[in-house]
Amino acid sequence: AQTVTQSQPEMSVQEAETVTLSCTYDTSESDYYLFWYKQPPSRQMILVIRQEAYKQQNATENRFSVNFQKAAKSFSLKISDSQLGDAAMYFCAYRSYNNNDMRFGAGTRLTVKP
Amino acid sequence: DTEVTQTPKHLVMGMTNKKSLKCEQHMGHRAMYWYKQKAKKPPELMFVYSYEKLSINESVPSRFSPECPNSSLLNLHLHALQPEDSALYLCASSQDWRAGATYEQYFGPGTRLTVT
Repeated sequence: AQTVTQSQPEMSVQEAETVTLSCTYDTSESDYYLFWYKQPPSRQMILVIRQEAYKQQNATENRFSVNFQKAAKSFSLKISDSQLGDAAMYFCAYRSYNNNDMRFGAGTRLTVKP
Repeated sequence: DTEVTQTPKHLVMGMTNKKSLKCEQHMGHRAMYWYKQKAKKPPELMFVYSYEKLSINESVPSRFSPECPNSSLLNLHLHALQPEDSALYLCASSQDWRAGATYEQYFGPGTRLTVT
């Protein structure tokens, strides 16, 4: 079974600075999808960014970008120009190519300091 | 409209009660999901419905009974719950549930359930 590991339970960043959240995963599959979800204190989970494993180019969404290293099974999230509204729990998630069963990492709680 | 709604927001029930959680989406999505999330933990998948048929049941105890009356509505019926079932119950939906596509899951705000 696939497992997702987020080794940083908590991270802190100064407003306007850059922070990187780590995620590694274990799989024997060659095709799959990776996601970063954000869950603010209000609890509604929203998608931040997604990456298809067959794509070599790293995904970017405005201030959010990923560093996808397929051979290393690593999928880190970089947040540039951090804003107070970025404070949340961030979950890395893996989804198999063959189904929509999504597996989440334990999460990283990000604090943004003004 | 990219909204998934859930009612109620909070629910307190005794171990002998019967209650239901409701989830609704009007995005035309054909896959809907129930997740359980304990405090400071990631969501854990419970059930998946695809085209109103149960596709995945992750070995959830029978005291949780899902129902999908139509493509927009998903219910979770609760009966004889235990205190350890207290958690945030999240509903999600996606356009479809098929291999080979990055169907994003849209999450609702959740129902905070407390079993006394």
